[in-house]
Amino acid sequence: GESVGLHLPTLSVQEGDNSIINCAYSNSASDYFIWYKQESGKGPQFIIDIRSNMDKRQGQRVTVLLNKTVKHLSLQIAATQPGDSAVYFCAVPNSGGGADGLTFGKGTHLIIQP
Amino acid sequence: DGGITQSPKYLFRKEGQNVTLSCEQNLNHDAMYWYRQDPGQGLRLIYYSQIVNDFQKGDIAEGYSVSREKKESFPLTVTSAQKNPTAFYLCASKRRSTEAFFGQGTRLTVV
Repeated sequence: GESVGLHLPTLSVQEGDNSIINCAYSNSASDYFIWYKQESGKGPQFIIDIRSNMDKRQGQRVTVLLNKTVKHLSLQIAATQPGDSAVYFCAVPNSGGGADGLTFGKGTHLIIQP
Repeated sequence: DGGITQSPKYLFRKEGQNVTLSCEQNLNHDAMYWYRQDPGQGLRLIYYSQIVNDFQKGDIAEGYSVSREKKESFPLTVTSAQKNPTAFYLCASKRRSTEAFFGQGTRLTVV
């Protein structure tokens, strides 16, 4: 089955700096990738997604990069703010369209230093 | 507003008790999911349902049961057979080929 891994359980950055959170996946046939943000005691919140026919996708202050060759994706957050402090998960659908659920990485806890 | 509502937010269970967690969505999504989250861990799939009156086991279904009698509702029962039920439980729903939307979770504690 699919497995998803994160490189760092915790990332500490200074307020205003850029953050990069990494994720690796195992199934080369995966065609859809999602990043979620989870604040303490709350459910995950969708941030951004990317399909395998793209290498890069930008949102508001966030960019996701996909490298299919090495099965790696990253989430870049520009000019981090205190409100960005949360756990970030990448997720991959278990099958086409994700009808049978998502596989999540263990998450990276982003800590913003004042 | 459209969304997913989980209740209660906190739930306490005595040893040997069954408890039921509620999940309701008004997003008109066909598929619904239950995940379990332990401290410092990612989410693990318990059960999912792609359509009314049908559901499938996920990776950690033992000790849990579900029903899907209505499109809007997907309750999860944590039975006495679940030996380590203390966790954060998350319900989600989605349309085909889109991201999943999550509720705010139920924190279950065994006392």
